[in-house]
Amino acid sequence: DTGVSQDPRHKITKRGQNVTFRCDPISEHNRLYWYRQTLGQGPEFLTYFQNEAQLEKSRLLSDRFSAERPKGSFSTLEIQRTEQGDSAMYLCASSLGLAGGPSSYNEQFFGPGTRLTVL
Amino acid sequence: QKEVEQDPGPLSVPEGAIVSLNCTYSNSAFQYFMWYRQYSRKGPELLMYTYSSGNKEDGRFTAQVDKSSKYISLFIRDSQPSDSATYLCAMSTYSSASKIIFGSGTRLSIRP
Repeated sequence: DTGVSQDPRHKITKRGQNVTFRCDPISEHNRLYWYRQTLGQGPEFLTYFQNEAQLEKSRLLSDRFSAERPKGSFSTLEIQRTEQGDSAMYLCASSLGLAGGPSSYNEQFFGPGTRLTVL
Repeated sequence: QKEVEQDPGPLSVPEGAIVSLNCTYSNSAFQYFMWYRQYSRKGPELLMYTYSSGNKEDGRFTAQVDKSSKYISLFIRDSQPSDSATYLCAMSTYSSASKIIFGSGTRLSIRP
C-alpha cells in the first residue's frame, strides 16, 4: 500500500506523559500536514511542512506541541505534558506541491489517523 | 462564529434519492472549495474540488459554489448505501491554499 501511513493507530496515555506520533507520507510528496479532529468536528489544521521547512503553524499548536520533518520524508508530532483536552484523532496528510508555491492548491491525501486518549 | 458552517445532521434518506449537502462560509477570501468523504475510523478522502465559482460534475456527484451568497453545495444522485459516511466541506484561500478549513461534517445514512 503506497498511501499515507501513521503509527501508532491508537495511543492511551496518562495525563502529564509525553507522546510521539509518526507519519510516513506518500513517497514523492514534498508537503506534509498535521490536523487534529475531535468527535463530531471536522479536522483542524495544525501545521505543514514543505520538505524539511515548517511553513505554517496554527495558533492551536501550543508550545507543548512540536512537529519535525528532519529529512523531508517522515514526520513526528510530539505532545509534552498531555492534558485530557488533547484527546483527539491526529491526522496526517501529504501532497505534491508544485512550483506555484503556497498559493497553489494541491490535493491532500490523508492517513488513517492516530487516536489519542488521555486519561 | 466559525468560518465554515455545516449542518451536522444526521441525514437519513432512502436508496436512490437525491441528496443535497450544504455549507455556508464567512471569509470572502476563500477561493478553493472541496468536499471530502470520511468513513468511520478512516481519514477523509477528496471527492470534489472547485476553484472559485461554478458547477462541477463527476459521475453521480455535482458540486456548486455560489460566492455571492457564500454558499456551497454537494448533490449526490441515485444514492447508494455505500455513500453512507460523513461529508465534510472544506475551503482555503489563494494566499494560504495549503491551510484547509473544514466544516464540522454532515453524517449521511442511505437506507436500503
